[in-house]
Amino acid sequence: DAGVIQSPRHEVTEMGQEVTLRCKPISGHDYLFWYRQTMMRGLELLIYFNNNVPIDDSGMPEDRFSAKMPNASFSTLKIQPSEPRDSAVYFCASSFLGGSVGEQFFGPGTRLTVL
Amino acid sequence: AQSVTQLDSHVSVSEGTPVLLRCNYSSSYSPSLFWYVQHPNKGLQLLLKYTSAATLVKGINGFEAEFKKSETSFHLTKPSAHMSDAAEYFCVVSVPTYSNSGYALNFGKGTSLLVTP
Repeated sequence: DAGVIQSPRHEVTEMGQEVTLRCKPISGHDYLFWYRQTMMRGLELLIYFNNNVPIDDSGMPEDRFSAKMPNASFSTLKIQPSEPRDSAVYFCASSFLGGSVGEQFFGPGTRLTVL
Repeated sequence: AQSVTQLDSHVSVSEGTPVLLRCNYSSSYSPSLFWYVQHPNKGLQLLLKYTSAATLVKGINGFEAEFKKSETSFHLTKPSAHMSDAAEYFCVVSVPTYSNSGYALNFGKGTSLLVTP
């Protein structure tokens, strides 16, 4: 199994530009989570999906952030316009309800730098 | 609300000596608890999990943790540290999701483990 795949691994952009992060969950998993990791705030849950439907987006910082899951094998997290304070590592994770309670499988992350 | 507190932000040990990473939890009912490890520039990997079965849980790479309800603790230990254990360790509690049909994770702030030769 390839595990959770994220792209790109690194992204450097300028303030005001649109940024799109991508995630492919493990096949057969019905939950997908987006997290953000910073030194100041640690790991924060941004949004999660169940069967491609967004369930809880209360962690999304503001309207500049949006996430979609058009099918079971693909999700995007978009920031438009980006700001320097968005610089962080963004992780995608997936899990399945029938699996061990709460166990999630994480991708390698996308390190975003906004100049 | 379910939460965890990692008592040390940094721990430094010598190679070959024991490791102790401390975690206390707060939960209104019997929690599911986890330890995840993050090596530099890598994603998070599950080390071990407690889900109300045996209170002493064994994980990968020689790590284990003991659930102590009376102390509300879930400390991570290893008898002998190896250089490759240097990483960030997260104590995590599982909470029912908004729709009550799954689980989300609440992460501690992390403990950075340094292993010196």
